[in-house]
Amino acid sequence: NAGVTQTPKFQVLKTGQSMTLQCAQDMNHNSMYWYRQDPGMGLRLIYYSASEGTTDKGEVPNGYNVSRLNKREFSLRLESAAPSQTSVYFCASSKDYPEQFFGPGTRLTVL
Amino acid sequence: AQSVSQHNHHVILSEAASLELGCNYSYGGTVNLFWYVQYPGQHLQLLLKYFSGDPLVKGIKGFEAEFIKSKFSFNLRKPSVQWSDTAEYFCAVTNSGGYQKVTFGTGTKLQVIP
Repeated sequence: NAGVTQTPKFQVLKTGQSMTLQCAQDMNHNSMYWYRQDPGMGLRLIYYSASEGTTDKGEVPNGYNVSRLNKREFSLRLESAAPSQTSVYFCASSKDYPEQFFGPGTRLTVL
Repeated sequence: AQSVSQHNHHVILSEAASLELGCNYSYGGTVNLFWYVQYPGQHLQLLLKYFSGDPLVKGIKGFEAEFIKSKFSFNLRKPSVQWSDTAEYFCAVTNSGGYQKVTFGTGTKLQVIP
């Protein structure tokens, strides 16, 4: 039981490049989330998916898109990366109750 | 909209000192409250949670938190900290009905000096 896994662990992009962050969970959870963590700002919700087939915007969705591929997988896409998107990205999942389980994170640097 | 305030951004304590980290939230309805911990280089882990019942909640590693509804607070405490408690601590809140979108505080970095 791996819990929540994320790939890649580290990534460096140039401004304007695109990339997709992958997240998968093996706990049969319904809900999945993408957060970004920036110093002094805590975790901010980018997008979430309450259940398979649905996605909704969080606090800071601009510049991102998501896909809930199936119940297990929830990907985050940066279409045209900007330096302001340099951050640590965490994926999380939860079952019916709000306790969330977090992945190990992806450290992204945009030059 | 719900919000969470953690007023202590950086706390430095010596080993065996007592710890109290403040957390205040603003939300008019019934809430669920959490404390998460992030050890250096690791992901967030749940420390403790409050859904209902006894307002004094005990979590892992000797931590506890008290929900005071009248003060909209959920402070984290530990009687005697250890060097291994060095980490960043996040308070979080969600409404107890409907979809559970969680709002996190900005975090408190705790440094314990041996």
